[in-house]
Formats: sequence, C-alpha cells, structure tokens
Amino acid sequence: AQSVTQLGSHVSVSEGALVLLRCNYSSSVPPYLFWYVQYPNQGLQLLLKYTTGATLVKGINGFEAEFKKSETSFHLTKPSAHMSDAAEYFCAVRENSGYSTLTFGKGTMLLVSP
Amino acid sequence: DAMVIQNPRYQVTQFGKPVTLSCSQTLNHNVMYWYQQKSSQAPKLLFHYYDKDFNNEADTPDNFQSRRPNTSFCFLDIRSPGLGDAAMYLCATSRNGQGSGYTFGSGTRLTVV
Repeated sequence: AQSVTQLGSHVSVSEGALVLLRCNYSSSVPPYLFWYVQYPNQGLQLLLKYTTGATLVKGINGFEAEFKKSETSFHLTKPSAHMSDAAEYFCAVRENSGYSTLTFGKGTMLLVSP
Repeated sequence: DAMVIQNPRYQVTQFGKPVTLSCSQTLNHNVMYWYQQKSSQAPKLLFHYYDKDFNNEADTPDNFQSRRPNTSFCFLDIRSPGLGDAAMYLCATSRNGQGSGYTFGSGTRLTVV
C-alpha cells in the first residue's frame, strides 16, 4: 500500500524567503511522485512530477523537488517566495508497476506575508 | 485548449434530493476519476473509469453512483445527499493512468441545505 505524509498543515514564509514543503512517502515499489497546487475554489494544477531519470525535477512557477530514495522524500522548494504562491500544496504518490491510482497527502497551506 | 470542464461550478441541493454533477474532457484521455474533497482535507478517490470499466473504491458509499456514456463525459450521481456530502467534487483524467499526472477540472462545490 502506498501513502504520503506531508509535515506541517501550514507553512508561513515572508515574501522573498525560501519555501520548503516536506513530503515523505511509503510505497512497496518505486513510486511516481507528484506535487499539485490548489488555489481557493479551484481544481488541482500539476506543479511537477518524478517518474524516472533525474532525481531533481523542475516544475512551473520556479518550484523544484528532489527525489531522495534513501530518505523516501520528495520535498518541494522554491528559492524566493512570491505573494502569488500562497495556496494549498498536495504531494501525491502512485506506484509505477501495473496500474494504480493517485494517493494524496493531506496538503500544506502556504502562507506568504509581505 | 484541451481541458477538463466541470458543470456547474457551484451547486446547491436539498437534503435527500438527487443531484448530478457533470464532467467533460477534450483531452481524449481514457481514464476519468471522481474525487471528493472536504474542507482542508486531501482529495479522496470515489471511483474511476478505465475506458468503460468502472472501478469503485471500497469505502465509497452506495449513495454515490457514476455514469460514463462516452469517452468525453462522466457523471457523478448522488442519490440522496446528506449534509455530510457537502464538499468540492473534482473530476480528473489521465491517459492510461501511467506516469503522467492527472488533469483536473475546476471542481463543483456542492452545498446541501
């Protein structure tokens, strides 16, 4: 069975500061990993994904994430927060063998202050 | 632009009155999903169609049903909505469910009065 744990339901940063949102996964086989962003009353938008290959993945809006198998982690970072980054972020996992569906973490609300 | 469209964006229904939410896609993806998302919670998969094959999650209440008349459309039917069914309902699609992430619609926020 696969699962995702996101540390911290809320993260607060100042504009221009580093953003770090944590995600750890549990999966019986090597997973595919995703980060989605959700703005209020909107659907989920894919930020980035890791499937195979390079473990450092770059996504949209200046975000990136690094797959660390030894730590079972896929933390999301952005060097400099922007006010428009304020939203909820979901980490998700899916097994890469056979067919399985996406399992989401509980989400982390990113708050950005001026 | 190819996309996933959900209608309506906001739906108010009476307690116990059947309601249908709709989802359409122009991506020609063969897999369509319905998620329920309650306030400040992760999206929870209710069921999905892989082509015409319906896959129900074990803990999805019988009150929730789905129809997929063709590749482009998928419907979520709630037979007798309760107050606990108030939530955002998200439709998503994927191609074969492999590798690539899902494409989500903007969701329908359901209020039960």
